[in-house]
Amino acid sequence: GIQVEQSPPDLILQEGANSTLRCNFSDSVNNLQWFHQNPWGQLINLFYIPSGTKQNGRLSATTVATERYSLLYISSSQTTDSGVYFCALTRAYKYIFGTGTRLKVLA
Amino acid sequence: GAGVSQSPRYKVAKRGQDVALRCDPISGHVSLFWYQQALGQGPEFLTYFQNEAQLDKSGLPSDRFFAERPEGSVSTLKIQRTQQEDSAVYLCASSSGQGAGGAFFGQGTRLTVV
Repeated sequence: GIQVEQSPPDLILQEGANSTLRCNFSDSVNNLQWFHQNPWGQLINLFYIPSGTKQNGRLSATTVATERYSLLYISSSQTTDSGVYFCALTRAYKYIFGTGTRLKVLA
Repeated sequence: GAGVSQSPRYKVAKRGQDVALRCDPISGHVSLFWYQQALGQGPEFLTYFQNEAQLDKSGLPSDRFFAERPEGSVSTLKIQRTQQEDSAVYLCASSSGQGAGGAFFGQGTRLTVV
């Protein structure tokens, strides 16, 4: 089956630091999304990014579909950025989630 | 409502008990999905509805799991004779289209079987 692996599995940052999260996938991608799962369990869409680069405030994402990876950049991290970040491929109506990166931002 | 609403937020069940988890999708959303998220892992697909039709139930782990969406809006995930391995967060999502892209997720129901 399709493999979606994320790195690093855990990350601790001091507030204000920058970070890069990586998502590697084993198959071609039609749709790749990044989600943030906050400490209350809510999954929030961050980016729909099957290819190219997008930016939204302090967050940006880049997907290189030909090399089967995507990167999520977080700049000037804040404590509210804490939680788990997932990338997910879609196959028709199914999301196939990665293993997640657990981020903790310290004040 | 403004978002996908799930109830209850937390459920503790004794092993062998039946449970029912409710999902209220965003009004007018055609597609509805259930996912299971074990502790420390990513969500895994359980089942998919398009309106009232259950088009895919391949992710349901056993015949103790049953989902319905009789009027094409609210959905219920039922688990019969719960077992400890059923302990997980159950997430519901809905989308306006026929695919998963752009789906909105609820906060989930955390089920603990003791």
